[in-house]
Amino acid sequence: QLVESGGDLVQPGGSLRLSCSASGYTFSAYAMHWVRQAPGKGLEYVSGISDDGTRTYYADSVNGRFTIFRDNSKNTLSLQLSSLNTDDTAIYYCVKERIRGWYDFDCWGQGTLVTVSS
Amino acid sequence: EVLMTQSPDTLSVSPGERATLSCRASQSVGRHLAWYHQKPGQAPRLLIYEASTRATGIPARFSGSGSGTEFTLTISSLQSEDFAVYYCQHYNNNPPWTFGQGTTVDIK
Repeated sequence: QLVESGGDLVQPGGSLRLSCSASGYTFSAYAMHWVRQAPGKGLEYVSGISDDGTRTYYADSVNGRFTIFRDNSKNTLSLQLSSLNTDDTAIYYCVKERIRGWYDFDCWGQGTLVTVSS
Repeated sequence: EVLMTQSPDTLSVSPGERATLSCRASQSVGRHLAWYHQKPGQAPRLLIYEASTRATGIPARFSGSGSGTEFTLTISSLQSEDFAVYYCQHYNNNPPWTFGQGTTVDIK
């Protein structure tokens, strides 16, 4: 099970930290990712992190502004968002890969809403 | 970046009919292709991985095919719970990966 938190209303240029609490499986054994969905729009890959946290990847649209990290001792995935703009308004989903090795996503959280507006 | 293009954007189908959805990649992704569906107000759910393998708990009326750049999702006999938005996604090589824009399957 994945449970996101931290979504909020934030002004353009602001920052926010999202968290995802994982349970029911060995968190440290799997890569994790964030996927977002703007209101009424499709899915957009945001960022991914390896099982041990040493490798991170970002979509071009967020590279340099967002930072993904994880704490395997607390079964927690996080996404630090900065320099936010209105295009970042979306539901942010925490997702788990199905098997080890950078694969598809078999478990999704319920999402947390980030609204960027003045 | 690999561009994923789905067609059609909307597919109107009657219950019990067959639905065929397409997904095209701008370059080869091998068989590293997944399909998800999403119902209103819910998170997406994995249907198919590795182009043709059904995920756990997915009924046999869902089937996937293809490799390289051309992929198809077929729903053999649409049930009421199948009316949703369907997305393809590649996971070839390292991230970032991309999703198709989605196909809405609605009731005819």
